[in-house]
Amino acid sequence: GDSVTQMEGPVTLSEEACLTINCTYTATGYPSLFWYVQYPGEGLQLLLKATKADDKGSNKGFEATYRKETTSFHLEKGSVQVSDSAVYFCALSHNNNDMRFGAGTRLTVKP
Amino acid sequence: DTAVSQTPKYLVTQMGNDKSIKCEQNLGHDTMYWYKQDSKKFLKIMFSYNNKELIINETVPNRFSPKSPDKAHLNLHINSLELGDSAVYFCASSPVPGESSYNEQFFGPGTRLTVL
Repeated sequence: GDSVTQMEGPVTLSEEACLTINCTYTATGYPSLFWYVQYPGEGLQLLLKATKADDKGSNKGFEATYRKETTSFHLEKGSVQVSDSAVYFCALSHNNNDMRFGAGTRLTVKP
Repeated sequence: DTAVSQTPKYLVTQMGNDKSIKCEQNLGHDTMYWYKQDSKKFLKIMFSYNNKELIINETVPNRFSPKSPDKAHLNLHINSLELGDSAVYFCASSPVPGESSYNEQFFGPGTRLTVL
């Protein structure tokens, strides 16, 4: 079945450092790919998404490119802030009823 | 303005009790979900439901049952609570397949359940 694998955390960075969180997937066909973010004590929020190969999703300085050849959707940000500290989830979906999440990666950004 | 809301935010109860968590969405979505998030932040789908179909994750014990009084609500009932049920439970909703953002899910703030 479909699955998502993302890099294990926790990840600790200093403010203004570059961030990459790796995500790879296994799926039939052409799923949509997502990054969700969960801030402390809150629910998941959609950060960005891409619905077809070579699409780039971007939001709040984060971006990720749908790479079908490498089945990857790595999350990147050039300069992280303390406020980016959260848990990040990679996910894929073919339809409403079957969204598969990765295990989550906790990011801590220190001033 | 809250899109997906859950009550209560925190629930502390004794083993063996029966409890319910309520979820409401004002987005007009047709499909709703319940997820369980464990202490390691791993998310597991429990149910997805619309007015036509209930899909149950077969690993969910039958002590858990979703109840939908109408399209905007999907409540989670848990009977005979066990220690291992302690987790954060998230409700989510999404639009009808075929609409432009059909496969994006919108999450509630979560309910932290602690079973003593």
